[in-house]
Amino acid sequence: DAKTTQPNSMESNEEEPVHLPCNHSTISGTDYIHWYRQLPSQGPEYVIHGLTSNVNNRMASLAIAEDRKSSTLILHRATLRDAAVYYCILGEYGNKLVFGAGTILRVKS
Amino acid sequence: DGGITQSPKYLFRKEGQNVTLSCEQNLNHDAMYWYRQDPGQGLRLIYYSQIVNDFQKGDIAEGYSVSREKKESFPLTVTSAQKNPTAFYLCASSLRSPSEQYFGPGTRLTVT
Repeated sequence: DAKTTQPNSMESNEEEPVHLPCNHSTISGTDYIHWYRQLPSQGPEYVIHGLTSNVNNRMASLAIAEDRKSSTLILHRATLRDAAVYYCILGEYGNKLVFGAGTILRVKS
Repeated sequence: DGGITQSPKYLFRKEGQNVTLSCEQNLNHDAMYWYRQDPGQGLRLIYYSQIVNDFQKGDIAEGYSVSREKKESFPLTVTSAQKNPTAFYLCASSLRSPSEQYFGPGTRLTVT
């Protein structure tokens, strides 16, 4: 399974944008990039996924580098409710996902 | 409301006992998954099932067993062979691919 590298933790101010980076230099051509987040003592929640093009949904945006070796999850205006562990995961379509340790996002009011 | 239910939320057992964790979904999803999470760590895949009556081992299947007799249900049994069973167990389902997995609220199992 291809690996991802994420910072252990990041901090943001409320109402400001947050850019969460993810490196995946060994990504294969068929790997999708998935992002999930997990609040304490809860199950993870799907955030967004993409293959090659940038993606937007109501929760976030996903910016994928042209060589696909890195990506960035963008929360446009962080709120206290966005404080969570964010997981960047690679997975082939139809295959299982492998969760790493993720990035702990802290949001300050 | 559609979703995934796991019961119970907290479970306590004595060492040496088998215990079965429940997972039910009414999303009409084909695929279901079981994960284990230890404090401060990411999720690790125990077992997954893409279709009824079929399942595959994940990365840490030893000491666990599953069944998939119905599309809606995917119970996990933690056997006495599992050396460190105390953990947070999460069940998930997806329509077919893993592109969007829906997770249940989890069961926190404590074995003493």
